[in-house]
Parts: sequence; C-alpha cells; structure tokens
Amino acid sequence: KAGVTQTPRYLIKTRGQQVTLSCSPISGHRSVSWYQQTPGQGLQFLFEYFSETQRNKGNFPGRFSGRQFSNSRSEMNVSTLELGDSALYLCASSLALGAWETQYFGPGTRLLVL
Amino acid sequence: QQQVKQSPQSLIVQKGGISIINCAYENTAFDYFPWYQQFPGKGPALLIAIRPDVSEKKEGRFTISFNKSAKQFSLHIMDSQPGDSATYFCAAKSGGTSGSRLTFGEGTQLTVNP
Repeated sequence: KAGVTQTPRYLIKTRGQQVTLSCSPISGHRSVSWYQQTPGQGLQFLFEYFSETQRNKGNFPGRFSGRQFSNSRSEMNVSTLELGDSALYLCASSLALGAWETQYFGPGTRLLVL
Repeated sequence: QQQVKQSPQSLIVQKGGISIINCAYENTAFDYFPWYQQFPGKGPALLIAIRPDVSEKKEGRFTISFNKSAKQFSLHIMDSQPGDSATYFCAAKSGGTSGSRLTFGEGTQLTVNP
C-alpha cells in the first residue's frame, strides 16, 4: 500500500505570495492532519480534517488554511507569505478520528520564503 | 500545559550500547504516546506507541516504559546500531472523535558510533 504522498516536495516563494500544498493520504485513510516543522519551534500542529470538515486547529494565524476533498485528499494554503513561514510542512493520515489512531507521515514539502 | 518535554537534546552511544530518551508531560488529557524516528530529508516514521493503561511495551530492540503517576515515559533502544542514528521525537496525543492532535517533544539527535 502506498504511503502518504505530498506535492510538491520543494518550493521557493517570495514574501507576500501565497502557496498551496497538496497531500494524498494512505488509501482508506479518512483523517488528514498537517504539521509545521522548523528548527526553532519543532513540530507544531496546524489542523486536522475528517470527512471534509476541519475538526481541530492549532495556534496559527488565519493566513494558514486548509481543506479536504471527498476523496480524503487535502490541501493547505498559506497566504501573504512571511520569511518565518519557511519550514517543512508535513501531512499525516490516519484511518479515522480518535486519540488511539496512529498517524502516518508523508515526506513533507520544504518551503523556502525569500 | 500542552507541552511535552524531551531530553537529552543529543545523545552519542557506542554500537551495541543502550540509548535512553526521556519525556515528561503535564496534560492528563493525553492518552496515546507514540515515538517517531526521523532521518534527514524524510518525514517522521512511527517507531512504537503505548497507551497509558500499559506500563511497558517492547517491539524488537525498542521498548517504551510508561509511568502514569509521574507523567513520564521513555524510549530504550537496546543493542544500538549505526543505522539507528536519527532524530527521535516523543509525542502525546489528546482528543477523540471530535478532533485530536499530536504534541511533540523537542527531539533527540541520536548518534551511534561504530
């Protein structure tokens, strides 16, 4: 079974631009979560989606948004990019919601904001 | 109260030795504790996980010890190998079917010398 796939793998943008990242979960997985990884802040939760609905949101500004489609694929969008948005953005999928559901991570999209 | 504190930040062990990484948490709502292994350029990969009703779980060379009263848990890697050199993250998951999130520790960079 294929793992979580994320596209693109690398991205370079300039300040003020917006970016859309894509995530395809493991087949059959219906929950998708997004995390930001930086050297300074570590791994931080962005949001969680299930059945096309945002179920949980981390402490990030409104410039960060996401959505999930009926096939469970998910996208996240960052508008008005800032230098501090440079990070590895990780998508994780799980079969369903629930604290005991294991999350499996993709390879991430590395975003560089210049 | 959402933090997970991880130590040490870095660890160097000799091949065949035991690697021990410790984590502590405050939030008693956490009810699932996975450990992830991350190699450079890759997303975190689930290593082993434990529920709070279990005090120890072993999978091959990897063991989680969990102390619910002390709100601490640790990862032991027996017979450490150079291929184990990676960054290890402990995590704690809160929430249920209404939404959940992983809260990560700061990470431990493990180096196993041959």
